[in-house]
Amino acid sequence: EVQLLESGGRSVQPGGSLRLSCAASGFTFRDYAMSWVRLAPGKALEWVSAISGLDSSTYYRDSVKGRFTISRDDSKNTVYLHMNSLRVDDTAVYYCAKDLLAVAGRFDYWGHGTLVTVSS
Amino acid sequence: QSVLTQPPSASATPGQRVTISCSGSSSNLGINTVSWYQHLPGAAPKLLVYSNILRPSGVPDRFFGSKSGTSASLAITGLQSDDEADYYCATWDDSLNGLVFGGGTKLTVL
Repeated sequence: EVQLLESGGRSVQPGGSLRLSCAASGFTFRDYAMSWVRLAPGKALEWVSAISGLDSSTYYRDSVKGRFTISRDDSKNTVYLHMNSLRVDDTAVYYCAKDLLAVAGRFDYWGHGTLVTVSS
Repeated sequence: QSVLTQPPSASATPGQRVTISCSGSSSNLGINTVSWYQHLPGAAPKLLVYSNILRPSGVPDRFFGSKSGTSASLAITGLQSDDEADYYCATWDDSLNGLVFGGGTKLTVL
């Protein structure tokens, strides 16, 4: 059974940093692209970042470029999202999602999310 | 303002058919396939349709995806009360070099 378990979300002040983790199990992790998707209060789903499974190519939405870094450790079956210079509008539930294979936004499995609150 | 445009709301009665539209452009839906997601409050989003028309195993054939040009649609037939949820389309945008979601459609089963 595929499972994705996010952790690391908490309350942080503007300008602060966080590292989110997503521990995966139930599939050959290294073969699959992974993404982070967020849902801010009262807003729509928003893709944040992706990392491919073959060569660990990375992709980001414009609003997080230069502030967030996605990475993966295939030996630990874990994908990370390093978040720096956090802003109030980064407040959201952050979901980890597995792509069907390559980076394409066909997320067949999702975690249950971890809450990041950026507030002074 | 989302890159993909969806109606903010839709409604229908049990048993009816409802269609949710998703409008994009030549840099996204015009050249890439669409996925559709169902999101219930407090739950993880669920993949309903991918590659325009394909359903993952376990998704009933009441959910039907289609795409033409720069627009896509999700049709739900035989509407049930537990279909009440938010629905999102998503695709890759070559100009942005990233994934884009629609603004979401809140479906109400009357």
